[in-house]
Amino acid sequence: DQQVKQNSPSLSVQEGRISILNCDYTNSMFDYFLWYKKYPAEGPTFLISISSIKDKNEDGRFTVFLNKSAKHLSLHIVPSQPGDSAVYFCAADGGSNYKLTFGKGTLLTVNP
Amino acid sequence: GAVVSQHPSRVICKSGTSVKIECRSLDFQATTMFWYRQFPKKSLMLMATSNEGSKATYEQGVEKDKFLINHASLTLSTLTVTSAHPEDSSFYICSARSHEEETQYFGPGTRLLVL
Repeated sequence: DQQVKQNSPSLSVQEGRISILNCDYTNSMFDYFLWYKKYPAEGPTFLISISSIKDKNEDGRFTVFLNKSAKHLSLHIVPSQPGDSAVYFCAADGGSNYKLTFGKGTLLTVNP
Repeated sequence: GAVVSQHPSRVICKSGTSVKIECRSLDFQATTMFWYRQFPKKSLMLMATSNEGSKATYEQGVEKDKFLINHASLTLSTLTVTSAHPEDSSFYICSARSHEEETQYFGPGTRLLVL
């Protein structure tokens, strides 16, 4: 049972435009959500997070939106840059054991 | 963000030997460390969770006698792959979090190739 889903395995956008990566979850106990960026053969890099008490968090070009009623969150990158091309993982935290539940990732390609 | 290092970054070994991978939190005290494994084109798979000074908690299907985890200090955790076999070849990544912060910070990963 996949509790965190990233239904788009890949996304391609033009440089300068907005990239929107989506993530859905099923476990209502999740109360903290994170986005990580990962290049091949490297560990994930933390990008941005959001607590369930908020519906938006912004950091530079990255904004994460949380819709708790829909159990949906999204990562917006604007403007997109070629260096943003990577796999983006959505992760959720909600237990006392601090374990993260990851989605399968979305490969973002930003074309010059 | 916080920095987590892993050593070695890449290791090649013969089948039957043991390999130790170190994970260090460089600028914070990691009360909890995690070990993940990533297969090609797959998501991260959590192997075990370790809290400083206590035994690691292994995920279902992960052999604790094969993947020995030690979290002896607040800045160091080690994963030892014992009697490695070719099917253990993978990308192993650790992460760490402090007691105060909910974010996990990941190491750069270790590529293990067992011949």
